[in-house]
Amino acid sequence: AQSVTQLDSQVPVFEEAPVELRCNYSSSVSVYLFWYVQYPNQGLQLLLKYLSGSTLVESINGFEAEFNKSQTSFHLRKPSVHISDTAEYFCAVSDNTDKLIFGTGTRLQVFP
Amino acid sequence: KAGVTQTPRYLIKTRGQQVTLSCSPISGHRSVSWYQQTPGQGLQFLFEYFSETQRNKGNFPGRFSGRQFSNSRSEMNVSTLELGDSALYLCASSLIAGRTDTQYFGPGTRLTVL
Repeated sequence: AQSVTQLDSQVPVFEEAPVELRCNYSSSVSVYLFWYVQYPNQGLQLLLKYLSGSTLVESINGFEAEFNKSQTSFHLRKPSVHISDTAEYFCAVSDNTDKLIFGTGTRLQVFP
Repeated sequence: KAGVTQTPRYLIKTRGQQVTLSCSPISGHRSVSWYQQTPGQGLQFLFEYFSETQRNKGNFPGRFSGRQFSNSRSEMNVSTLELGDSALYLCASSLIAGRTDTQYFGPGTRLTVL
């Protein structure tokens, strides 16, 4: 069975600093990978996804993630964070069972 | 387009009672999935419905059930509530079933079991 590991439960960072949120997955079959963001008192919103093709995927608000098959990772990065990026970020994997399996989440706290 | 709506937003029940949660997907979306979110277990998949049929199911006891209506609206029922059922229940809809389609989440129903 596939699983998703987000090693960092919390990541504190100052505004305008770069950030990386780590995500590793385990699966014996090909997977599709997702990053979702959850703002306080809201549901999840899709940030970006990898289905096939270029291993580097980007979101409209400056985040990017790179699929690394050999390291089974899909880390999320942003070169310069804003206060408004404060939220919980979830990595998820979907394999051929069509279920979406989530990691435990990483709380990104951006300080002024 | 209106987003995914869930009702009620908050619910308080006591052990042993049952509860029904409702989810209205985005217009035109035919797939609805349900998730349970707790601080300890994170987000866990409950089940998915597509065209009124349960298409996929997670590892939850039979007390958790659901259904989907012809207009794609879905309900989730939990019988004989336990304290551990306290959670945020999220509903997500997508245009079609399948792992490539983007799921759009509602704001959730916060269930507290006393």
